[in-house]
Amino acid sequence: DIQMTQSPSSVSASVGDRVTITCRASQGISSWLAWYQQKPGKAPKLLIYAASSLQSGVPSRFSGSGSGTDFTLTISSLQPEDFATYYCQQANSFPRTFGGGTKVEIK
Amino acid sequence: EVQLVESGGGLVQPGRSLRLSCTASGFTFGDYAMSWVRQAPGKGLEWVGFIRSKAYGGTTEYAASVKGRFTISRDDSKSIAYLQMNSLKTEDTAVYYCTRGLYDSSGYYNYWGQGTLVTVSS
Repeated sequence: DIQMTQSPSSVSASVGDRVTITCRASQGISSWLAWYQQKPGKAPKLLIYAASSLQSGVPSRFSGSGSGTDFTLTISSLQPEDFATYYCQQANSFPRTFGGGTKVEIK
Repeated sequence: EVQLVESGGGLVQPGRSLRLSCTASGFTFGDYAMSWVRQAPGKGLEWVGFIRSKAYGGTTEYAASVKGRFTISRDDSKSIAYLQMNSLKTEDTAVYYCTRGLYDSSGYYNYWGQGTLVTVSS
């Protein structure tokens, strides 16, 4: 199975800050990577797919990059509604696997 | 509008069985693979399994943690996906989400149900 490792596990930031979350796959997955946002008590929301493609309706302050084993989610200017937990997920092979999550908290 | 509605969750004793349903609407159900993802209380997301559309054979894939105990099936005539859970363990306690991908067999889940809570406890 492919292991997905996210860092950091949590980050404290202020509105307007630039936030970067990283995700590392235990083996190469090309660009088969998604990023999700989850708020408490809600289902996850797809933000980015194919490592860098912005899902329809997602604000452009979210961006993704990377390929192979190392990936990044960047929020260019953090907004109040962005405080949530973020997960990466590989779609290269079965079983699909998620990273452990990164909680973005208010500083 | 695409909607996925899970049902069938509840409290069950260890070793017993439970069947979850995912009722879909707003799209041609038979044209898409369907997946299940779960989340234990206060924990991260865990992929459970997947059933391909009939166009891709309707075959299934499972996480190692549930393989041999859980079975995913589908009834395209009713637009329902099922998750049959047998020999339940306390560690199966979680909110179970039904998901659909961006396109058939896509591993990118852009539609999620609201989730149904399964509690395995004596």
